[in-house]
Amino acid sequence: KNQVEQSPQSLIILEGKNCTLQCNYTVSPFSNLRWYKQDTGRGPVSLTIMTFSENTKSNGRYTATLDADTKQSSLHITASQLSDSASYICVVSAKNAGNMLTFGGGTRLMVKP
Amino acid sequence: GAGVSQSPSNKVTEKGKDVELRCDPISGHTALYWYRQSLGQGLEFLIYFQGNSAPDKSGLPSDRFSAERTGGSVSTLTIQRTQQEDSAVYLCASSSPGEKLFFGSGTQLSVL
Repeated sequence: KNQVEQSPQSLIILEGKNCTLQCNYTVSPFSNLRWYKQDTGRGPVSLTIMTFSENTKSNGRYTATLDADTKQSSLHITASQLSDSASYICVVSAKNAGNMLTFGGGTRLMVKP
Repeated sequence: GAGVSQSPSNKVTEKGKDVELRCDPISGHTALYWYRQSLGQGLEFLIYFQGNSAPDKSGLPSDRFSAERTGGSVSTLTIQRTQQEDSAVYLCASSSPGEKLFFGSGTQLSVL
């Protein structure tokens, strides 16, 4: 069964600090992995996409990593800002046709001043 | 429009009533998804439309739920005889095949 597990479920950090969110998956055959940011009351917005051959990809203060061998991804946030407070959702896509998207439960991040 | 539009943004209904939620996807996006997000929970897949193919309804939780997509564009999600456990945020997303999803802001459904 395709599954995506995220950790931690929630995280509180002080403004300016760094943090790393984890995503482990069992989706097969793997196509790509996306990290989405979901602000409260809004729909998720894509941050990065990782394909099988990519190990690291950055988008501003967000850096995603992918280890296809261990089926793990991380999202590192540098110099956190209050606006980073949101849920971060890991979504893995399988290569077979159709809607084979598997969503993680998300990590709820709160950045405090 | 520039993004995925959902209406209404909020809906309060009484148990047993029917509700209809609307989604206007981004023009040209052939893929359209409905998801449900209960308080503090992850996203739950409901239904997927891709072009003119038969929709994947495997995520619909009961036969009280149905959805259609007219003319390959606008979609409506209908919940009949609503129950309190149907209370959630219903999110619509669209995409070009294989591309990232663009989500609407959701419809907050509250069943009293």
